Amino acid sequence: SQKIEQNSEALNIQEGKTATLTCNYTNYSPAYLQWYRQDPGRGPVFLLLIRENEKEKRKERLKVTFDTTLKQSLFHITASQPADSATYLCALRNSGGYQKVTFGIGTKLQVIP
Amino acid sequence: EAGVTQFPSHSVIEKGQTVTLRCDPISGHDNLYWYRRVMGKEIKFLLHFVKESKQDESGMPNNRFLAERTGGTYSTLKVQPAELEDSGVYFCASSQDRPTAEAFFGQGTRLTVV
Repeated sequence: SQKIEQNSEALNIQEGKTATLTCNYTNYSPAYLQWYRQDPGRGPVFLLLIRENEKEKRKERLKVTFDTTLKQSLFHITASQPADSATYLCALRNSGGYQKVTFGIGTKLQVIP
Repeated sequence: EAGVTQFPSHSVIEKGQTVTLRCDPISGHDNLYWYRRVMGKEIKFLLHFVKESKQDESGMPNNRFLAERTGGTYSTLKVQPAELEDSGVYFCASSQDRPTAEAFFGQGTRLTVV
């Protein structure tokens, strides 16, 4: 069955450093890979989408890589800030015009001032 | 512009009772999705509407769950009768009809069945 693995343990980093989160998947050939941010008591908020034929995408301090051979995505936050503290979800979806996605369990990031 | 709105934010009901969750998507979004997160597990897809039609309901757990979207606007998700394992956070999301359209999520409804 399709499976997404994210570090379910919390990741603690010092303010100003780069946070790197990992998403590995098996039994899946996604057309798109997405990253979401979720704060306690809130719904997920979309951050970035990367297509299967793209290697890397950037948005401000965020960078996502996508390696379909390794079946892995890395999510980087540079110059991290305490406000970046949240749970980050990896999500995969097939091609098609809708958002039936398979979510990972998420990694909780804590940026320490 | 208002985002996706869900009501109620919390609901505590007894096993065997009925609960109806409501979702108001962003205006103009034809696609509406329901997801659920059971404690300690991943967020899982339940079903997808395109306007008023069910496009995919492969994630619905069983026939105790009934989703509707009359008129293609707001949607309701009814659980009848509720069981203990139905407890969790139910999320609604909506999106425009483009392959890379962003999905906007509501804040969720936390359902507790006791």
